Amino acid sequence: RKEVEQDPGPFNVPEGATVAFNCTYSNSASQSFFWYRQDCRKEPKLLMSVYSSGNEDGRFTAQLNRASQYISLLIRDSKLSDSATYLCVVNGDTGFQKLVFGTGTRLLVSP
Amino acid sequence: EADIYQTPRYLVIGTGKKITLECSQTMGHDKMYWYQQDPGMELHLIHYSYGVNSTEKGDLSSESTVSRIRTEHFPLTLESARPSHTSQYLCASSEWTGNYGYTFGSGTRLTVV
Repeated sequence: RKEVEQDPGPFNVPEGATVAFNCTYSNSASQSFFWYRQDCRKEPKLLMSVYSSGNEDGRFTAQLNRASQYISLLIRDSKLSDSATYLCVVNGDTGFQKLVFGTGTRLLVSP
Repeated sequence: EADIYQTPRYLVIGTGKKITLECSQTMGHDKMYWYQQDPGMELHLIHYSYGVNSTEKGDLSSESTVSRIRTEHFPLTLESARPSHTSQYLCASSEWTGNYGYTFGSGTRLTVV
């Protein structure tokens, strides 16, 4: 089983739609959680950290459920520019605290 | 402006050549990483470093080697490039705890012909 699992998609949605991505992680000791965005043939960029109480940044809302080891990302009012791959990221161990990247969920927003 | 720099951005090179991919960061981060990523595929960690004189192999076996003589510099070397090394190589860095995530460079797209 992979340490971080995501549905690869693609999710095809029209502009203005609300879309949600889910991610599960296997290490119950993980303490840090992030969503990254990666555009085609570009480097990953940090979209937002995920906090225990849930957090929001504009149209983006992230939730963490430690009991179920589950992270979600909600995008409201989708824009064409939101088309990208969204990577769920978790710190994999308490030693080096190396981050583990999911394989990503691809989002395509169409006019 | 980027705080982590990779050069070259693109490299096309013949089989058997020795190459070094450069990565430098100006954030004073202790930890640095090299990832390999093929188009449309997942990131694979190939090397990482805790700090000066520390280097470790990552989750994906790689024929490349790295060095960390200075905090800000983490070059990756391929002694003899092969077509199977064709890929994108991404360098990243983080502060010690990793609580703020990683910052990635723009990557080097390597093609070995």
